[in-house]
Amino acid sequence: KQEVTQIPAALSVPEGENLVLNCSFTDSAIYNLQWFRQDPGKGLTSLLLIQSSQREQTSGRLNASLDKSSGRSTLYIAASQPGDSATYLCAGGGSQGNLIFGKGTKLSVKP
Amino acid sequence: GAVVSQHPSRVICKSGTSVKIECRSLDFQATTMFWYRQFPKQSLMLMATSNEGSKATYEQGVEKDKFLINHASLTLSTLTVTSAHPEDSSFYICSASGRDQETQYFGPGTRLLVL
Repeated sequence: KQEVTQIPAALSVPEGENLVLNCSFTDSAIYNLQWFRQDPGKGLTSLLLIQSSQREQTSGRLNASLDKSSGRSTLYIAASQPGDSATYLCAGGGSQGNLIFGKGTKLSVKP
Repeated sequence: GAVVSQHPSRVICKSGTSVKIECRSLDFQATTMFWYRQFPKQSLMLMATSNEGSKATYEQGVEKDKFLINHASLTLSTLTVTSAHPEDSSFYICSASGRDQETQYFGPGTRLLVL
């Protein structure tokens, strides 16, 4: 059974710092790995999708990596901004489309 | 933690028929429910947001007359796919949050296949 863990649960950094959010999963037979952003009261916003055959994806200041052999994914945020403050969720996707979510990392970027 | 259920988990229907998917919060009052869908090899995308007792807010590109959302109680929201077509085949997931709006709890999803 797939389990997804995110560390840390919360993170506070000063504006401008580069940071890394971690996600680990127990079943390497993962179909894809997705990173989402959640703002209070809002639906999830998809950030990056990495297929199982890929090792990383980039979008703007975001870079996500996937290492199936070690069961890990990281989300790298460069030059953090206060607007990046949100909860970041990773989810492991199965071949049937089912998603197993981690509990998220709550990021706070201080001006 | 809070539990959200979806029913059915899988449904196959003929083109032109309507399908209803239920999303229930089992042990908390869900003031807000979200409906998502995920096409193969694509990311999960938000379709609409519904607050109990009011009309749903649909994301751009989602037809509100085709995807009817009802959130009549604090524990139940339904998504009805009207006149379903093969291109509606997808994985539909709901999530629910309580009054604090801080955490969303996800249902297990519903796989819809339209023949």
